[in-house]
Amino acid sequence: ETGVTQTPRHLVMGMTNKKSLKCEQHLGHNAMYWYKQSAKKPLELMFVYSLEERVENNSVPSRFSPECPNSSHLFLHLHTLQPEDSALYLCASSQDHGNPYEQYFGPGTRLTVT
Amino acid sequence: AQKVTQAQTEISVVEKEDVTLDCVYETRDTTYYLFWYKQPPSGELVFLIRRNSFDEQNEISGRYSWNFQKSTSSFNFTITASQVVDSAVYFCALSEAENNDMRFGAGTRLTVKP
Repeated sequence: ETGVTQTPRHLVMGMTNKKSLKCEQHLGHNAMYWYKQSAKKPLELMFVYSLEERVENNSVPSRFSPECPNSSHLFLHLHTLQPEDSALYLCASSQDHGNPYEQYFGPGTRLTVT
Repeated sequence: AQKVTQAQTEISVVEKEDVTLDCVYETRDTTYYLFWYKQPPSGELVFLIRRNSFDEQNEISGRYSWNFQKSTSSFNFTITASQVVDSAVYFCALSEAENNDMRFGAGTRLTVKP
């Protein structure tokens, strides 16, 4: 089993749809992250969870709603998205948050909003 | 505030050439960590190296080497005898000691032609 998995790998949704992205880590890590990667922009940190508690929300619009039911799973619930939300959404995990351990990334979900 | 600059947007080389990817950072912290990641076309960011601010020793791993120079706030990455499989986007990142929020550079797209 690879370290960090993400499903689906590709998603096309209309602006009125509701969908969820799933991330699972098999590394026994305590911290998980959502990043957004748009064309020609640096990676943007969206949310940070440490021991299932959200510790950071970097001014992300409320149409993105994260959920961390346990330390191995992280979801990103999407609703009423805009075309500019089309991007690659990357999940990552690290041993802890608060110490700069390296982060391990999943393959991402390529999201297209039509 | 922390900042990472990768001035080279795209680099193209021919196989077996050596190539250096530049990374310049800004931070007010005296304790910080620098990272390099590789993002192949599959999308997943692959961790390559972490270096802390107190360790200026250069590192070599196979064809990869890293040159950390605090005096110029640079952490450059050299690939020796490049191969087609090295084609990817390479990201430099910085995090400060107090948290694990990595600030990524914009990335350098490396194309190695046969």
